[in-house]
Amino acid sequence: ETGVTQSPTHLIKTRGQQVTLRCSSQSGHNTVSWYQQALGQGPQFIFQYYREEENGRGNFPPRFSGLQFPNYSSELNVNALELDDSALYLCASSLPGQGIGYTFGSGTRLTVV
Amino acid sequence: AQKVTQAQTEISVVEKEDVTLDCVYETRDTTYYLFWYKQPPSGELVFLIRRNSFDEQNEISGRYSWNFQKSTSSFNFTITASQVVDSAVYFCACDNFNKFYFGSGTKLNVKP
Repeated sequence: ETGVTQSPTHLIKTRGQQVTLRCSSQSGHNTVSWYQQALGQGPQFIFQYYREEENGRGNFPPRFSGLQFPNYSSELNVNALELDDSALYLCASSLPGQGIGYTFGSGTRLTVV
Repeated sequence: AQKVTQAQTEISVVEKEDVTLDCVYETRDTTYYLFWYKQPPSGELVFLIRRNSFDEQNEISGRYSWNFQKSTSSFNFTITASQVVDSAVYFCACDNFNKFYFGSGTKLNVKP
């Protein structure tokens, strides 16, 4: 199995709601990271998971949380949605180590109204 | 902290022209990796090239080439003989232990 798959591809939520985004990592990749990409901007690092534990976090509030499962799939959860959370959320997986490079999914487009 | 700057917001060229995308980075780390990714309208980031901080040798891979200059903290990317299919947003990124810091991207329009 190759590639990183994300679901759903598009999602519309109301301000204040909670959302869960899902990612299936590339086979053999035990490191997963999540990024938020606002329209017209570069992706911003949210957090990274390695072997089911968070091992790095960007400048995002605690209402952004995640999980990684033994099969290396992962979730991004966002509570108390705000309008500014509207963005493309990208999942990326890699083997451990620096400079390996990530394989990115096509993302989930979240719209908060 | 890392910072990546892509000063060119949008570039338009005619097919077969060469085009260079600029990238300037800031980092306090002595070991780091630099990447270029391409993002077509589908949204997926596609890996193009990677260079580590200890290797300033510039290379050519097909129509792609890059110029890494540590002295000026620049990592520029050139597409030779551009094609319409090269139209996309291109991101430069600095990797510090798998935490990528991306620039804001350069949108490349290649016209037939």
